[in-house]
Amino acid sequence: EPEVTQTPSHQVTQMGQEVILRCVPISNHLYFYWYRQILGQKVEFLVSFYNNEISEKSEIFDDQFSVERPDGSNFTLKIRSTKLEDSAMYFCASSFGQGYYGYTFGSGTRLTVV
Amino acid sequence: AQSVTQPDIHITVSEGASLELRCNYSYGATPYLFWYVQSPGQGLQLLLKYFSGDTLVQGIKGFEAEFKRSQSSFNLRKPSVHWSDAAEYFCAVGPAYSGAGSYQLTFGKGTKLSVIP
Repeated sequence: EPEVTQTPSHQVTQMGQEVILRCVPISNHLYFYWYRQILGQKVEFLVSFYNNEISEKSEIFDDQFSVERPDGSNFTLKIRSTKLEDSAMYFCASSFGQGYYGYTFGSGTRLTVV
Repeated sequence: AQSVTQPDIHITVSEGASLELRCNYSYGATPYLFWYVQSPGQGLQLLLKYFSGDTLVQGIKGFEAEFKRSQSSFNLRKPSVHWSDAAEYFCAVGPAYSGAGSYQLTFGKGTKLSVIP
């Protein structure tokens, strides 16, 4: 069964450093998403991406965040200057059509900011 | 704004016992409803989904869920739990179509299921 692959599985970074979280969506999917889950809290929508541009973003997704599909297979989330409160599990997801058929999620990257 | 409530943070059942995980939603229109499962170290796996039609939907791993519009509920059930079902279960509602071509999901906080052998 096709999978969404995320790397790394766990990343530790110092406050103020830039991090890039990487995802390889399912190859024929057209819509890409990032969600995050702070420990003990809900999974929250961050951003969706379609046709090489952001189609929707939440209020969490401020100027510190950016997304990119640099090469037609990878989908990245960059956090420019990490804060302690960015510590969370970050999930990448993709869907063929718009997500009402459900998304395929990756296994997540646990980001720890120290 | 749409929201999802999973009132049970943690449930423990014995292997072989039946299971029901509760989910209540708030949404202004006919919702699309999903149940996802997350095993430790794994991603979110789709168990089942409801869009329309028969209000009892079957999913993978022997799970089913029933949509009850009058109660704004979408409870997940399994008649006989296996030890491998121990995981965290998330209910989600969508779409929240904003006109930008995306259907973000709103998740509940999750219910952790423990299974006693």
